Amino acid sequence: DIQMTQSPSSLSAFVGVRVTITCRASQSVNNYLNWYQQKPGEAPKVLIYAASSLQSGVPSRFSGSGSGTDFTLTISSLQPEDIAIYYCQQTSSTPPTFGQGTRLEIK
Amino acid sequence: EVQLLESGGGLVQPGGSLRLSCAASGFNITNYAMTWVRQAPGKGLEWVSVISDIGGGSYYADSVKGRFTISRDKSKNTLYLQMNSLRAEDTAVYYCARDNYVQISYFYYYMDVWGKGTTVAVSS
Repeated sequence: DIQMTQSPSSLSAFVGVRVTITCRASQSVNNYLNWYQQKPGEAPKVLIYAASSLQSGVPSRFSGSGSGTDFTLTISSLQPEDIAIYYCQQTSSTPPTFGQGTRLEIK
Repeated sequence: EVQLLESGGGLVQPGGSLRLSCAASGFNITNYAMTWVRQAPGKGLEWVSVISDIGGGSYYADSVKGRFTISRDKSKNTLYLQMNSLRAEDTAVYYCARDNYVQISYFYYYMDVWGKGTTVAVSS
């Protein structure tokens, strides 16, 4: 199975700042990489698919980049409603594995 | 409106069985691959199983292979997860999700519709 490792595991930042979360795959997943946001008590929601494509309805402050083994999710200007856990997921091979999650908090 | 609604969770003893249901509305589940994902208390997301759109082939995580069976009923537009020989480590919120895809030279899959989840607790 492909292992996905996210960093950091938790992050605290001020409103308005730029935030970056990284995801590393144990082997190349090309750009078969999705990002999900899970707010407390809610189901996950897809933000980014195919490494850099923004899902319809997701604010443009979210962006994704990377290919191969290294990926990033960037929030250009952190908002209070972005408090959540963020997960990357590879769909290059079965089973499609998730990262362990990054908990994002507001300072 | 496109929606998924899970049901069937509950408290079960180790070794017992449960069948989870996921009723879809607003789309035909046979036009999409459908997935079960679970989340143990305080833990991350774990992919459990998928049933493909074409042919209905299924795949399972090693942790549930041989114990869980995914299926679907076209007439009821409902996805199922039959869970047998349940263990304490199967305790989790179980989500069903729709696997959508886009074709950008290749097919890229992502889960774009999720249910609210149903809770399974395995304990004596």
